[in-house]
Amino acid sequence: GAVVSQHPSRVICKSGTSVKIECRSLDFQATTMFWYRQFPKKSLMLMATSNEGSKATYEQGVEKDKFLINHASLTLSTLTVTSAHPEDSSFYICSVPLHGNEQFFGPGTRLTVL
Amino acid sequence: EDKVVQSPLSLVVHEGDTVTLNCSYEVTNFRSLLWYKQEKKAPTFLFMLTSSGIEKKSGRLSSILDKKELFSILNITATQTGDSAVYLCAVLQRTSGSRLTFGEGTQLTVNP
Repeated sequence: GAVVSQHPSRVICKSGTSVKIECRSLDFQATTMFWYRQFPKKSLMLMATSNEGSKATYEQGVEKDKFLINHASLTLSTLTVTSAHPEDSSFYICSVPLHGNEQFFGPGTRLTVL
Repeated sequence: EDKVVQSPLSLVVHEGDTVTLNCSYEVTNFRSLLWYKQEKKAPTFLFMLTSSGIEKKSGRLSSILDKKELFSILNITATQTGDSAVYLCAVLQRTSGSRLTFGEGTQLTVNP
């Protein structure tokens, strides 16, 4: 399977600041990566599809200006939460699909906005 | 609207018990159903089911898909405390690229 890393694993920031989360596919070139968020005791909610070489595709209800996605290379996608607010506190997870089938998930980033 | 429904939402058992987790789905252009186990962090892949009636096994875990009735079950026999986790079911559609639609998950707690 694919090995996926995320950085940072945990971040605490003040309201109004921007936070960047990196997702790296360590052993597999990924033209597509997915970003999810997960609230406590809830399932994963797909936020957007990150596409290498083109704009990200956002799910309905997800603000593209608030959650900026950049697929910089075949092994790196970044999610920037701009002007973060306490309601943005969540667990953010990226995933890499392998051969269009199963997805391999990063370890996640826990964001806490004070 | 596509949806994936898991039941029960939570389950508490004793070590050694056998559990069955359910996942039903209503999606267009079904391709595959996947099961994941999530402990503290990211989900780890368990099974991918594409064909009806073919059981997949991995140790004490097994799973099967019924495409006629639109559901899947995940069985865990002789449960251990290390099986405590959230078990997620997700569906992959033919028309969605590699996007997954997840169910709410089943929180399994195995007590010693």
